Amino acid sequence: DAGVIQSPRHEVTEMGQEVTLRCKPISGHNSLFWYRQTMMRGLELLIYFNNNVPIDDSGMPEDRFSAKMPNASFSTLKIQPSEPRDSAVYFCASSRGTSKETQYFGPGTRLLVL
Amino acid sequence: AQSVTQPDIHITVSEGASLELRCNYSYGATPYLFWYVQSPGQGLQLLLKYFSGDTLVQGIKGFEAEFKRSQSSFNLRKPSVHWSDAAEYFCAVGGGNTDKLIFGTGTRLQVFP
Repeated sequence: DAGVIQSPRHEVTEMGQEVTLRCKPISGHNSLFWYRQTMMRGLELLIYFNNNVPIDDSGMPEDRFSAKMPNASFSTLKIQPSEPRDSAVYFCASSRGTSKETQYFGPGTRLLVL
Repeated sequence: AQSVTQPDIHITVSEGASLELRCNYSYGATPYLFWYVQSPGQGLQLLLKYFSGDTLVQGIKGFEAEFKRSQSSFNLRKPSVHWSDAAEYFCAVGGGNTDKLIFGTGTRLQVFP
């Protein structure tokens, strides 16, 4: 199995630009999670989907952030407009669902907003 | 409120020494407990997990953890640390009718030769 795939691995952009992060979960997994990791705030859950439906988006910082999961094999996290404080590593993870199941993390996207 | 506390931000040990990383949780229902490890530049990888039954659980890479309900703790241990164990370790708690995990702030382990 290829594991969770994220692209791009690194993104450098200027403030005000739109950023789109992509994630392909492990086949057969029906839960997908987006996390943000920074030195200051640690690992934060932004949003998670179950069977392509957003279940909890309470961690999404503000309206500049949006996430979609149009099908079981693809999800996006979009930031528009981006700001320097959005600089972080963004992880996608997937699982078979229920909190007992292991979450498998992708390698992350390192975002730098200048 | 649900929470996970990892009191040690940074721990340094010598190679071959024993290791214990602390984790305390606050959770209203029966908790599901996890330890993940993150090597530099990589995502998190599961070391072990506990749901029920035997309170001492074995994981990968020679790690084990013990669930102590009376102390609300789930400490991670390894009898002899290897240089390749240098990484950041995260404790997490979940349960109930949500798929969410609550992660601790992590403990960075440094191993000296």
